[in-house]
Amino acid sequence: QQPVQSPQAVILREGEDAVINCSSSKALYSVHWYRQKHGEAPVFLMILLKGGEQKGHDKISASFNEKKQQSSLYLTASQLSYSGTYFCGTSPNTGNQFYFGTGTSLTVIP
Amino acid sequence: NAGVTQTPKFQVLKTGQSMTLQCAQDMNHEYMSWYRQDPGMGLRLIHYSVGAGITDQGEVPNGYNVSRSTTEDFPLRLLSAAPSQTSVYFCASSYAGFGYTFGSGTRLTVV
Repeated sequence: QQPVQSPQAVILREGEDAVINCSSSKALYSVHWYRQKHGEAPVFLMILLKGGEQKGHDKISASFNEKKQQSSLYLTASQLSYSGTYFCGTSPNTGNQFYFGTGTSLTVIP
Repeated sequence: NAGVTQTPKFQVLKTGQSMTLQCAQDMNHEYMSWYRQDPGMGLRLIHYSVGAGITDQGEVPNGYNVSRSTTEDFPLRLLSAAPSQTSVYFCASSYAGFGYTFGSGTRLTVV
């Protein structure tokens, strides 16, 4: 049930853009995105539900294509504070049991 | 408003010992879950609960028990600790359709 994330790691310079992908082999009802900084707990970024909607949060946005069972997280004009590991969590139904991907390590350098 | 509180923060166990990781939330969330996090493995779901008295297994339930007698508390019991259970454990809670709030984690070492 664990979704697959790509890439595993990415290094950016400040101001550059990045895309993180999340795909599942099972039908999805919803997708969550979280960011985790080293030694801390994951922090919720956004949730996307069935409907192919796109959401935004400052310069971070995401899309969800339930037909392709995929979601993508877009980080634009990256800042140093964006560094961390990004996880997608997927659920096949309206329940809240989520299965997380293995994470994408994002490092933003000056 | 404390959010999700996990205790202890650190624990060292000997193989075969049992212990309970505590998790409490004060947000009246109906959903609660336990995850373990290992290097390169991401977060793996151990057990979850959709309300008081209702629990179910996740991806990696073997060696762990849970119960949910109240909305606030969701303890995780290790029955007989093994070195393979060395990990960081996170408890999380949410309302239906909302994102999870995670606790600060328990770092468990089994020797």
